[in-house]
Amino acid sequence: GESVGLHLPTLSVQEGDNSIINCAYSNSASDYFIWYKQESGKGPQFIIDIRSNMDKRQGQRVTVLLNKTVKHLSLQIAATQPGDSAVYFCAERKETSGSRLTFGEGTQLTVNP
Amino acid sequence: GAGVSQSPSNKVTEKGKDVELRCDPISGHTALYWYRQSLGQGLEFLIYFQGNSAPDKSGLPSDRFSAERTGGSVSTLTIQRTQQEDSAVYLCASSLTATGLNQPQHFGDGTRLSIL
Repeated sequence: GESVGLHLPTLSVQEGDNSIINCAYSNSASDYFIWYKQESGKGPQFIIDIRSNMDKRQGQRVTVLLNKTVKHLSLQIAATQPGDSAVYFCAERKETSGSRLTFGEGTQLTVNP
Repeated sequence: GAGVSQSPSNKVTEKGKDVELRCDPISGHTALYWYRQSLGQGLEFLIYFQGNSAPDKSGLPSDRFSAERTGGSVSTLTIQRTQQEDSAVYLCASSLTATGLNQPQHFGDGTRLSIL
């Protein structure tokens, strides 16, 4: 079925290291992808987005890579900081489902000092 | 504030009661969305509004759920005859538009609903 899923439910890294969070999607009709960060007790916070006509987009300390051939999305965080500890969700928008987003189950990132 | 505002932040009620959850979107945003998040899970789409168009209600889990958006701004999500499985965090998001250019959805901090 159609789904957005994550390869790893948890990720633990040392402060200062780079983090890579992965996401797989199954619907080739998806045209827009977003990464969100969610801290405990808070709503998801927008990090970065990418359209399907791109394969890479960079923000401040973050890079999103999109590989449409294997339907894979990743979020790279450079020089990870303790404040980056949170659950990270990828979400996709499918052209055929209007503007709703379909979310994956999330990856818990823990940054060790 | 400049973000999406939701109230109440927490709601505890007895099974069978009705509840109303409120969302104030970001000023100027024409699209408004409701999602539900169960403990430790991703977000589940419920409904979205775009301007004066008919809302997309396809994600509502049962006819006990309804939502309205008055004046193109504030929205209320109503759950009638609440059941224990309705316990979740209800999140509201808004975006500049729901059509045309891809616009990120910006979320409030949600209402944590607990049904006893």
